Amino acid sequence: DAGITQSPRYKITETGRQVTLMCHQTWSHSYMFWYRQDLGHGLRLIYYSAAADITDKGEVPDGYVVSRSKTENFPLTLESATRSQTSVYFCASSPQALGQGSFGANVLTFGAGSRLTVL
Amino acid sequence: LAKTTQPISMDSYEGQEVNITCSHNNIATNDYITWYQQFPSQGPRFIIQGYKTKVTNEVASLFIPADRKSSTLSLPRVSLSDTAVYYCLVGAFISGGYNKLIFGAGTRLAVHP
Repeated sequence: DAGITQSPRYKITETGRQVTLMCHQTWSHSYMFWYRQDLGHGLRLIYYSAAADITDKGEVPDGYVVSRSKTENFPLTLESATRSQTSVYFCASSPQALGQGSFGANVLTFGAGSRLTVL
Repeated sequence: LAKTTQPISMDSYEGQEVNITCSHNNIATNDYITWYQQFPSQGPRFIIQGYKTKVTNEVASLFIPADRKSSTLSLPRVSLSDTAVYYCLVGAFISGGYNKLIFGAGTRLAVHP
């Protein structure tokens, strides 16, 4: 199916366990992002990637690890989950910008989200 | 990075026009202004994007004054289904550069019958 998909959609885990959230997009977009959204709050950027093997930190990267070996996949790993990481996680992608004047080049398309509960 | 300021919440009634203003005083020359809509339990969805003056699509209009220090999202004749959180983002991707699009808290719009 075309689009951007996240898995799992729902996950319950325990403190200290490792968790990986998967994100897959079929458009070959260069840019991919991970955001977290806590109840009643906006989205905060965790990590982003401009291309395969190129990643960079966002606002709240501590406790998370990302990799991007293939353009279409951008997994997010919580190496040792904590209760404060209970949140809804959204993955997004965007086409590579062509430079100033390229309307639509930086529009984000989001996945449906992964709801993670850490007990 | 350009910081944005929006009202936390707004209320309206069906059939009315709703205008949500976003302030972005330190917008950069290369920055676009983009608005997203988010329904509960869903990811944000693109509504409209502009650089200057006015942009209109089938869903909304975006008004941007000459100094670009603010922008106004206009939703004509809202319905109950327009109840959502609306986010204003300012930023751009420039080839070879890394600009991080950061969401603010958004504006929670409630449309009443």
